[in-house]
Amino acid sequence: QQQVKQSPQSLIVQKGGISIINCAYENTAFDYFPWYQQFPGKGPALLIAIRPDVSEKKEGRFTISFNKSAKQFSLHIMDSQPGDSATYFCAASKGRGSTLGRLYFGRGTQLTVWP
Amino acid sequence: DAGVIQSPRHEVTEMGQEVTLRCKPISGHNSLFWYRQTMMRGLELLIYFNNNVPIDDSGMPEDRFSAKMPNASFSTLKIQPSEPRDSAVYFCASNLGFSGNTIYFGEGSWLTVV
Repeated sequence: QQQVKQSPQSLIVQKGGISIINCAYENTAFDYFPWYQQFPGKGPALLIAIRPDVSEKKEGRFTISFNKSAKQFSLHIMDSQPGDSATYFCAASKGRGSTLGRLYFGRGTQLTVWP
Repeated sequence: DAGVIQSPRHEVTEMGQEVTLRCKPISGHNSLFWYRQTMMRGLELLIYFNNNVPIDDSGMPEDRFSAKMPNASFSTLKIQPSEPRDSAVYFCASNLGFSGNTIYFGEGSWLTVV
């Protein structure tokens, strides 16, 4: 059972455009929502993360929007660049202060940014 | 600081052979995770340890898979006997064990079983 559902599976965006990836979850115990970026041949690496007490978090060109009532969150990449071409994973974990850091991952979105 | 170190990076083996993947977590991290990545199933958590103790191995596909963490700086994932459907990238990851702490991934072990 997929705890976090991610869409789209793949995305093609022109350079300078906005890339938007969406995720949804069911478990209301989730309280930490990171996005990971993976380049070919590499392991996933943390890109940006949010907790449900805020609705938006921005770091440079990357923004997470969070809708607690809808149990959805999304990643927006502004001014997308060819170097952003990678696979993006949303994830969730539960239990603020829990001693366990287990993440539940979405299936991933392969982003291609055309120059 | 060195990141999570995995070995081997690439392994090609024949069906039926034993495969052992190794992982050294980041020093000081007390949680360790083994993930498998395939095109069909994405990133799957196989097993995770906290303070060297296996907490949840429900993701281990079958008895052919086993994992150990004999000390805080070393873990192994063993497949015996290996099958072609085990071909995947196996990632080891570690973190400080608290929810909200960044999980750091190694670069993966690319396994091909022929």
